[in-house]
Amino acid sequence: DAKTTQPPSMDCAEGRAANLPCNHSTISGNEYVYWYRQIHSQGPQYIIHGLKNNETNEMASLIITEDRKSSTLILPHATLRDTAVYYCIVRVFGSSNTGKLIFGQGTTLQVKP
Amino acid sequence: GAVVSQHPSRVICKSGTSVKIECRSLDFQATTMFWYRQFPKQSLMLMATSNEGSKATYEQGVEKDKFLINHASLTLSTLTVTSAHPEDSSFYICSARDEIRWGGNTGELFFGEGSRLTVL
Repeated sequence: DAKTTQPPSMDCAEGRAANLPCNHSTISGNEYVYWYRQIHSQGPQYIIHGLKNNETNEMASLIITEDRKSSTLILPHATLRDTAVYYCIVRVFGSSNTGKLIFGQGTTLQVKP
Repeated sequence: GAVVSQHPSRVICKSGTSVKIECRSLDFQATTMFWYRQFPKQSLMLMATSNEGSKATYEQGVEKDKFLINHASLTLSTLTVTSAHPEDSSFYICSARDEIRWGGNTGELFFGEGSRLTVL
């Protein structure tokens, strides 16, 4: 299983862009990169996912390097409500190919006023 | 949008009793659901994969007789913590994927809001 490495914590000023890095140097060619976040005492919330191309949605942008060994989640204008733990996950292909997600420790993003 | 609902959100029970947690997909069908456990200040740990109409697949180190999983319909999976003890106190979270909408295994997983179990 490809593992991910994220900084344990980051701060960001409200209104500024938050750039959250993730290393996944052992990712396989057919594995996707997913980003979820978890606000305290809630279930995780899906943010975005991608394979090799950069992706953007209403929440964030995902930039994946050409060699796919790392990626960056960008929250363009962080708000206080974006304070959460952000998880970068590479999707696991098990023998049954069920698509289960294995969570690492994530990055705690603190957005400050 | 697709929503996964868990019930109860909080439960307190006495040691030795059993507790059932429900996980429902509200507007989509899910042949596969996943159960996670999260201790304070830790990440989510996958416990098992719940398969509709068949036995659940448990992760290594998770006792299948302790954590009974039933997935009797395409919209409901239940996790029963049997003979609960204080060390079972945790945040239990389920997730499911809208397989009809996305197909394959590339789509997003929707997570429930979690169920906090406290065993006295």
